Amino acid sequence: GENVEQHPSTLSVQEGDSAVIKCTYSDSASNYFPWYKQELGKGPQLIIDIRSNVGEKKDQRIAVTLNKTAKHFSLHITETQPEDSAVYFCAVPPPYTDSWGKFQFGAGTQVVVTP
Amino acid sequence: DSGVTQTPKHLITATGQRVTLRCSPRSGDLSVYWYQQSLDQGLQFLIQYYNGEERAKGNILERFSAQQFPDLHSELNLSSLELGDSALYFCASSVGLGNTGELFFGEGSRLTVL
Repeated sequence: GENVEQHPSTLSVQEGDSAVIKCTYSDSASNYFPWYKQELGKGPQLIIDIRSNVGEKKDQRIAVTLNKTAKHFSLHITETQPEDSAVYFCAVPPPYTDSWGKFQFGAGTQVVVTP
Repeated sequence: DSGVTQTPKHLITATGQRVTLRCSPRSGDLSVYWYQQSLDQGLQFLIQYYNGEERAKGNILERFSAQQFPDLHSELNLSSLELGDSALYFCASSVGLGNTGELFFGEGSRLTVL
């Protein structure tokens, strides 16, 4: 099955600084790469995703970059704010049609933004 | 609000007991997924149903079972509970089969087994 590694496991940043989280995956056939944010006491929520036909996607202060050759994708948060404090998960869906839905989630990154 | 409803939010029970967790997906979503989140295991995929049929299975224990009903709500049954089953159980839903679309998560059911 898919192997997804996410780093770092924790990330402390000063408000206004940038944060970068990286995920590596093993299967080169994967073509959809979402990032989820989980706030305390809530379920994960999609914040941005990228498909394999593009290398970068931006949405205001967040961006995702994809390097298919190296099999990794990264979440970038700029001008961090206290409300960015949460656990962030990358996810990779399976490439095989007989196991659709078996998203493999990274272990998560606890981001703490200090004022 | 994701539109996915899970009940109960909290559940405390004893080892050996059986519990049922319930999930109502977003209106129009045909796929329902169950995930287990524990501190040391992250988000682990358990099972997926699509329009009433089992579609994909993860590392779901034999003591656990699930089903999706004609109205598309789903139930996860956990039996012969052990201390290690204590975790957050999330339900998610999606419009399609899931490999290229957003998953909408509920707020989870926290199970504590004493």
